[in-house]
Amino acid sequence: QVYLQQSGPIVVRPSQSLSLTCNISGDSVSSYDAVWTWVRQSPSRGLEWLGRTYYRSRWHSDSALSLKSRPTVDPDTSKNQFRLQLKSVSPEDTAVYYCVKAWGSHGLDVWGQGTMVTVSA
Amino acid sequence: DIVLTQSPLSLPVTPGEPASISCRASQSLLYSNGEEHLDWYVQKPGQSPQLLIYLGSYRASGVPDRFSGSGSGTDFTLKISRVEAEDVGVYYCMQALQAPFTFGPGTKVDIK
Repeated sequence: QVYLQQSGPIVVRPSQSLSLTCNISGDSVSSYDAVWTWVRQSPSRGLEWLGRTYYRSRWHSDSALSLKSRPTVDPDTSKNQFRLQLKSVSPEDTAVYYCVKAWGSHGLDVWGQGTMVTVSA
Repeated sequence: DIVLTQSPLSLPVTPGEPASISCRASQSLLYSNGEEHLDWYVQKPGQSPQLLIYLGSYRASGVPDRFSGSGSGTDFTLKISRVEAEDVGVYYCMQALQAPFTFGPGTKVDIK
């Protein structure tokens, strides 16, 4: 059974950077069929896919570069985690952030419990 | 980015009756290998979203067989053959053909 563990709620000041980590148990971040993904949800913007990382002979990552906060997703193999970074956040980045595991193209099938991120001065 | 629209946005249902949700994409979700890259999720009150259907028509593990997905190209449908009280929640479609993956606005299903 795969579990994804996220941190508790956090508050970030506008223009600061944001870093979230997702702890993986029951699987490896280097697993060949897994795709490690971040999704966020807010009342105003709904569900938004932010980015993903996965290992297929080498590491691959892509993200929603159209977002102002330019998300990046990368793995930490030493801690069996993956991370989301947002640059220069604004109040519109206030949302619940989910880390999620996909198995190849078979959907986002394991979700973390979510972290509430509030961007406020 | 691929845009997804859903209809209806609100769906009051009677337990035991069927229900259907439509999802339309701004471009075809057909991949070169013949797979349709459209997934369905449900978010029950107070919970994280959970996967129902992947690749258009394949039920995820543990999903009851009263849920079915169909469609191709740009038009997809999620059907519940007989709604149960536990099916209340918000249903989302998501395209997984090209990054950035995108979600529909959601359809809220509740009991009449």
